[in-house]
Amino acid sequence: GAVVSQHPSWVICKSGTSVKIECRSLDFQATTMFWYRQFPKQSLMLMATSNEGSKATYEQGVEKDKFLINHASLTLSTLTVTSAHPEDSSFYICSARDQTLHDSPLHFGNGTRLTVT
Amino acid sequence: GNSVTQMEGPVTLSEEAFLTINCTYTATGYPSLFWYVQYPGEGLQLLLKATKADDKGSNKGFEATYRKETTSFHLEKGSVQVSDSAVYFCALSPLWGGGNKLTFGTGTQLKVEL
Repeated sequence: GAVVSQHPSWVICKSGTSVKIECRSLDFQATTMFWYRQFPKQSLMLMATSNEGSKATYEQGVEKDKFLINHASLTLSTLTVTSAHPEDSSFYICSARDQTLHDSPLHFGNGTRLTVT
Repeated sequence: GNSVTQMEGPVTLSEEAFLTINCTYTATGYPSLFWYVQYPGEGLQLLLKATKADDKGSNKGFEATYRKETTSFHLEKGSVQVSDSAVYFCALSPLWGGGNKLTFGTGTQLKVEL
């Protein structure tokens, strides 16, 4: 079945550095991918919609300069957390849908746990 | 705005016990409703869905019925197994097919013991 691969699965970085997270659709093409963030004991919150070949669409309250999204190909979207701070520590999850299939469900990556020290 | 409320966990059950995880929602219009499951170390997977009132979604022995009158979509299973131990998320989407913006509940952790 369709698989979305996310890398890395966990990362620890120092405050002030930047971290890049990759999301790949392994056996389908995705013109749109979605980035979520999850805090402990809270629900997944949609951060932004990544659009292949154009600018990402950010949800209200999400800083676009803080969370840079690039969707350079039909199988890869990246999320870069710039100048990370401890409050950016969270679980980041991407998802995508095979839009060639009618009623295809969203497929999720395994998530990336970011810890900023 | 749209919101999903589900019962807090963790829920601990003995094998073969009956499971209910409550989920209620607030939404404008007629959303589609979903249950996703996240097994340890894995990504979220769609468990079942319902796209209109009175629809029943079912998969792997789990069922949930779309109740518009009570704005609920409770997840049930008659006899749980240890392998059902996971985190379960209730979610809604304004549209099916074109509806990519899922609104999730906080998740309910289920632990099934022998």
